[in-house]
Amino acid sequence: NAGVTQTPKFQVLKTGQSMTLQCAQDMNHNSMYWYRQDPGMGLRLIYYSASEGTTDKGEVPNGYNVSRLNKREFSLRLESAAPSQTSVYFCASRPGQGAPTNEKLFFGSGTQLSVL
Amino acid sequence: EDQVTQSPEALRLQEGESSSLNCSYTVSGLRGLFWYRQDPGKGPEFLFTLYSAGEEKEKERLKATLTKKESFLHITAPKPEDSATYLCAVQPQTGANNLFFGTGTRLTVIP
Repeated sequence: NAGVTQTPKFQVLKTGQSMTLQCAQDMNHNSMYWYRQDPGMGLRLIYYSASEGTTDKGEVPNGYNVSRLNKREFSLRLESAAPSQTSVYFCASRPGQGAPTNEKLFFGSGTQLSVL
Repeated sequence: EDQVTQSPEALRLQEGESSSLNCSYTVSGLRGLFWYRQDPGKGPEFLFTLYSAGEEKEKERLKATLTKKESFLHITAPKPEDSATYLCAVQPQTGANNLFFGTGTRLTVIP
């Protein structure tokens, strides 16, 4: 019962480097989400995929791109990392289609990213 | 502006000492209010959804209640394993397709 799996768990980048955070879910969920969590701030939505083949911007999309590779996988890419992107990133999913709504989300364990 | 405020930021309780966590919200109509539990180094785990004022839900030592302006998470006779950060999130009725999360209350239960 893996649920939502994120890789890597930890990553250190230098300013300007690029990287992709990977997320996969094995629950046959339709919708997937990327959040970031910063000290003193609530979880904020970066991008989401309401269904396979679609992606939409969330609250804080600047500096990020996403790909819904298939129903299971949803990746987050930082093309040119900046110190302001130092954060903990969480991937989440839910069975239904659409933006986050009144259906519970299932979260992965997070990726702690530091940009120096 | 849609907003969620949780208090206190941190709470230390002795084992067995009951207390309540608060989540105050201002949204343009409430579609749902959620409580999640987050352990260190883990993602949030769903606890409850509340939809309308007066609604209550219980799970073991936890009970969540909802009014038109706030929600409480009551913890009765807590145990050390209840130590975690508790997050509140609200879904507005209309407008942004998003959940607005509070910053959480970090609960520590001392044996």
